Amino acid sequence: GENVEQHPSTLSVQEGDSAVIKCTYSDSASNYFPWYKQELGKRPQLIIDIRSNVGEKKDQRIAVTLNKTAKHFSLHITETQPEDSAVYFCAASKPGGYNKLIFGAGTRLAVHP
Amino acid sequence: EPEVTQTPSHQVTQMGQEVILRCVPISNHLYFYWYRQILGQKVEFLVSFYNNEISEKSEIFDDQFSVERPDGSNFTLKIRSTKLEDSAMYFCASLFEGGGYTFGSGTRLTVV
Repeated sequence: GENVEQHPSTLSVQEGDSAVIKCTYSDSASNYFPWYKQELGKRPQLIIDIRSNVGEKKDQRIAVTLNKTAKHFSLHITETQPEDSAVYFCAASKPGGYNKLIFGAGTRLAVHP
Repeated sequence: EPEVTQTPSHQVTQMGQEVILRCVPISNHLYFYWYRQILGQKVEFLVSFYNNEISEKSEIFDDQFSVERPDGSNFTLKIRSTKLEDSAMYFCASLFEGGGYTFGSGTRLTVV
């Protein structure tokens, strides 16, 4: 069935370092790949997304890359700050407005001052 | 910025009782969803709703669950006879085709 694998489950970095989180999806029909940041007890907040007709997208310190052939996509955060500490979820969705998001298991990122 | 609003923020109920979780999606959105997140786990799809009917539902969404859009604005999730394992955060989301999902702030359901 549809599945999204996410690694690592936890990631600890020093402030100013880069952080990379990787996801692999199983359904080759998937074409929309959002990343969410979730702070404790809060809703998932969309931080960046990419569609399958694009290989890379950047928004300030955050970038996402997509490799359709390998069916994996990655989140890159540069110059990390303590406020980046949260759980990050990747997700994948197939075409069609009503198609569901399949989430990865999440990565708990800790940025130490 | 438009928001998806959910009520209540926290609901405590006794096992076997019925609960109704309420959501007001963004007004021009056409697709509506319920997701749940058990504490410390990933977000899981429950059901999608479009054009006043269920588009897709997961294995979690069994006969104890139902959804309704009774008045064109509210979108509700009903659990008929709650079980301990229904304890989770329930998120409503809405989508405008071609855009991204907007999640509500969630309802924490605690079944005791």
